[in-house]
Amino acid sequence: QQQVKQSPQSLIVQKGGISIINCAYENTAFDYFPWYQQFPGKGPALLIAIRPDVSEKKEGRFTISFNKSAKQFSLHIMDSQPGDSATYFCAASHNNDMRFGAGTRLTVKP
Amino acid sequence: NAGVTQTPKFQVLKTGQSMTLQCAQDMNHEYMSWYRQDPGMGLRLIHYSVGAGITDQGEVPNGYNVSRSTTEDFPLRLLSAAPSQTSVYFCASSYRTGEQFFGPGTRLTVL
Repeated sequence: QQQVKQSPQSLIVQKGGISIINCAYENTAFDYFPWYQQFPGKGPALLIAIRPDVSEKKEGRFTISFNKSAKQFSLHIMDSQPGDSATYFCAASHNNDMRFGAGTRLTVKP
Repeated sequence: NAGVTQTPKFQVLKTGQSMTLQCAQDMNHEYMSWYRQDPGMGLRLIHYSVGAGITDQGEVPNGYNVSRSTTEDFPLRLLSAAPSQTSVYFCASSYRTGEQFFGPGTRLTVL
């Protein structure tokens, strides 16, 4: 049973558009929600993370929106660029037990 | 700093063989973990350690052993490899809470 459900599996966006990836979790004990970016042949790298005491966090073109009551969180990439083409994973963690979503392959077309 | 290093990068095993995947970090992180990544399943936690001498099971621990004798090293052992263990393995480290730093991965094929 996957504790973190991520959608969509794949996403194609035009350059300059907004990319939105959604995640939902089951375990209310989770207290850390990171997003990771992974390029082919590389390990995941932290993009942005949020804790449940805030509803939104923004870093440059990347924003996490967090809805504690709905147990959902999402990643918004503004002004998407071809260099953003990668696989994105959401995750949820409690006491270092981190569970990942299945990933979203984002393609940004020039 | 080298960050998190993993060896080997690629490995092919026959069913029943044993091997150890190596992981080392030079950031003095307390926490280290092993994940496997399979298509369409994201990353799944195999084992983790919150400090030298302390290990615990993650989501998919069967078929894997770990030990943590030093802060820097966290090897993953496959005692009797099975085709179901064909995967890409990632090691990660972090301070007790917060950002996990991932290594470059080991691609393992079991025939």
